[in-house]
Amino acid sequence: KNEVEQSPQNLTAQEGEFITINCSYSVGISALHWLQQHPGGGIVSLFMLSSGKKKHGRLIATINIQEKHSSLHITASHPRDSAVYICAVNFSRVNYGGSQGNLIFGKGTKLSVKP
Amino acid sequence: DGGITQSPKYLFRKEGQNVTLSCEQNLNHDAMYWYRQDPGQGLRLIYYSQIVNDFQKGDIAEGYSVSREKKESFPLTVTSAQKNPTAFYLCASSRGLAGLITYDEQFFGPGTRLTVL
Repeated sequence: KNEVEQSPQNLTAQEGEFITINCSYSVGISALHWLQQHPGGGIVSLFMLSSGKKKHGRLIATINIQEKHSSLHITASHPRDSAVYICAVNFSRVNYGGSQGNLIFGKGTKLSVKP
Repeated sequence: DGGITQSPKYLFRKEGQNVTLSCEQNLNHDAMYWYRQDPGQGLRLIYYSQIVNDFQKGDIAEGYSVSREKKESFPLTVTSAQKNPTAFYLCASSRGLAGLITYDEQFFGPGTRLTVL
């Protein structure tokens, strides 16, 4: 079964801490996405990557295709970073019977950053 | 401003009633998606449409129906056949796949929280 696993499920940090959220998947992919969902429910896309590393402000996303693993890092965390972070993948054509544009989602990591 | 709108934000319905959730986008995107989100679970795909006048079932299509008569609009009807419709529903859109492109970024609406009384 094509699966996406995230860890940890819940994470509490103090303001200023370095945070890492992990994502692993079961079979080959064409791309991996990191999404952020705020308490109101809306979702925004943070990163879309198929190899290497991307950085945007205090957020860094890395992916290791061979190990089928990705990490999202937040440096100098702030209470406004509190949200649910979701990993999602596009499985490659040989591994997925639906449209390659479709995303398969992890269950999310709920991050709470305390002041 | 370009984006995706969903209405209403909160919706209550009685058991046995059909209800339609609206999703509109002005991003000129070809592809549109409907997801359901339940506590403790990842988003699950209900229906998707890669082009106007065409749509496909996702992983949990039973009890739902959609239409795609216009590029901008992809309404979702939750029918009385859906056994457990209380959930948070998210609509998304993307440019759509073309040529050798095998993935693209999805843009999400604010969601509709449906509660069945």
